[in-house]
Amino acid sequence: ETGVTQTPRHLVMGMTNKKSLKCEQHLGHNAMYWYKQSAKKPLELMFVYSLEERVENNSVPSRFSPECPNSSHLFLHLHTLQPEDSALYLCASSQAGGASNEQFFGPGTRLTVL
Amino acid sequence: AQSVTQLGSHVSVSEGALVLLRCNYSSSVPPYLFWYVQYPNQGLQLLLKYTSAATLVKGINGFEAEFKKSETSFHLTKPSAHMSDAAEYFCAVSDDDYKLSFGAGTTVTVRA
Repeated sequence: ETGVTQTPRHLVMGMTNKKSLKCEQHLGHNAMYWYKQSAKKPLELMFVYSLEERVENNSVPSRFSPECPNSSHLFLHLHTLQPEDSALYLCASSQAGGASNEQFFGPGTRLTVL
Repeated sequence: AQSVTQLGSHVSVSEGALVLLRCNYSSSVPPYLFWYVQYPNQGLQLLLKYTSAATLVKGINGFEAEFKKSETSFHLTKPSAHMSDAAEYFCAVSDDDYKLSFGAGTTVTVRA
């Protein structure tokens, strides 16, 4: 595997389910990000991890819970979601303190909440 | 605080015509600037980036962008549009820290 991978690519869940999104980066980076992309809205930064510590949480509801067990893996745990949480969830990684702050994105998980 | 404004949420061009996507930024320090492209049901892919070297930056797929400090702009161009250029394009800015601020995106459609 190369770059940033995300699983699953598609997920349909009910409002009472618990599920997790997984992201893995194979680039040796030290920062990882979760973004939410909804139709007709700008990209929303949800969480930032640098050196495995959460450094930013942009007022995201507690029904979204991130986990970063090591510098290569990032999870987003989901529970009791709402239909308005349906969106494309993108993971990205970068080398914090690197030359340009360029972020590398995964293909995303398309989440549908029924 | 850094921010990006993309002028025009939708651009339609004929195949073979010039593609011009506009991006203006605000940043308190010399920025890094990026253009990303997103094809349907995919993640964002880097087209090109400005990191304070040459002001005219060439990217993939024939795209280029020019950094103009006096105009705080970083417009993206391609001389001749191809059907495969139909996608959504995002401008982004980064300054001192590692985060990126994205514009709202511009959707490009290409007419045959």
